[in-house]
Amino acid sequence: GIQVEQSPPDLILQEGANSTLRCNFSDSVNNLQWFHQNPWGQLINLFYIPSGTKQNGRLSATTVATERYSLLYISSSQTTDSGVYFCAVPNTGGFKTIFGAGTRLFVKA
Amino acid sequence: DTGVSQDPRHKITKRGQNVTFRCDPISEHNRLYWYRQTLGQGPEFLTYFQNEAQLEKSRLLSDRFSAERPKGSFSTLEIQRTEQGDSAMYLCASSPGQGYNSPLHFGNGTRLTVT
Repeated sequence: GIQVEQSPPDLILQEGANSTLRCNFSDSVNNLQWFHQNPWGQLINLFYIPSGTKQNGRLSATTVATERYSLLYISSSQTTDSGVYFCAVPNTGGFKTIFGAGTRLFVKA
Repeated sequence: DTGVSQDPRHKITKRGQNVTFRCDPISEHNRLYWYRQTLGQGPEFLTYFQNEAQLEKSRLLSDRFSAERPKGSFSTLEIQRTEQGDSAMYLCASSPGQGYNSPLHFGNGTRLTVT
C-alpha cells in the first residue's frame, strides 16, 4: 500500500513565527487532505488539496502531485495552532485513507 | 449540516466486557469509515461502508470487532470481550460522492479505556 511520511515529527515555535510542514507519499494520488488534531482529539479539516495551492487565512497548502509531496504553511503562528497536523491520502486500489504519523506542533507564547 | 456525531464521548469498561459505539454521519453522506487511533499515532483504518454495504475491512479488525450500518444511515461498532489493547480513540468519518474525490469529515471520537 501507499506510504505517507511527514516531517518534521516535532516542531516548537515561538508565537508569531512561520513554519512549513511536509508530507511525502509513495504513489500517485487523486486527493490529499490536511487535518489539525487539537489537544482535545478533534480532527479538523484544513485543506482538501489534490493539486495546486489553496489558502485559508494564515494557513496555505501546496500539493505537487507529480513529485508526490504536499506542503502546509503556517504563518504568524498562534498558541491555538498547537496540536498535531496530519496529511492523509487514499490507498492505492482501495477505499481507505492512509494517514501519516503527524507533525506535533507546540507554539510558545 | 450538523457534522458527524459519535456517542459516547468516553467509555470506561472492564476487561472482558462488550462495548458498542454509535456514529451518525452527515446526512446524505453515503460513505462511512471507522478508524482507531492510539496515543502518539495517526488514525488507522478499520472498516468502510458504502451505504449499508461493508466493502472493506482492515486486518486490524479481529473477530471480536463487528460493525454494522443497517439502513445506510448510522453505524455501530461493537467490541466483544474487550482487552486492554483495545484502549484507543475510535473515530468515525463520512464523505459524500461515489469517487475518491470526497473529503473525509470526522466526528469527535469515542475514547475507550479498558481497565
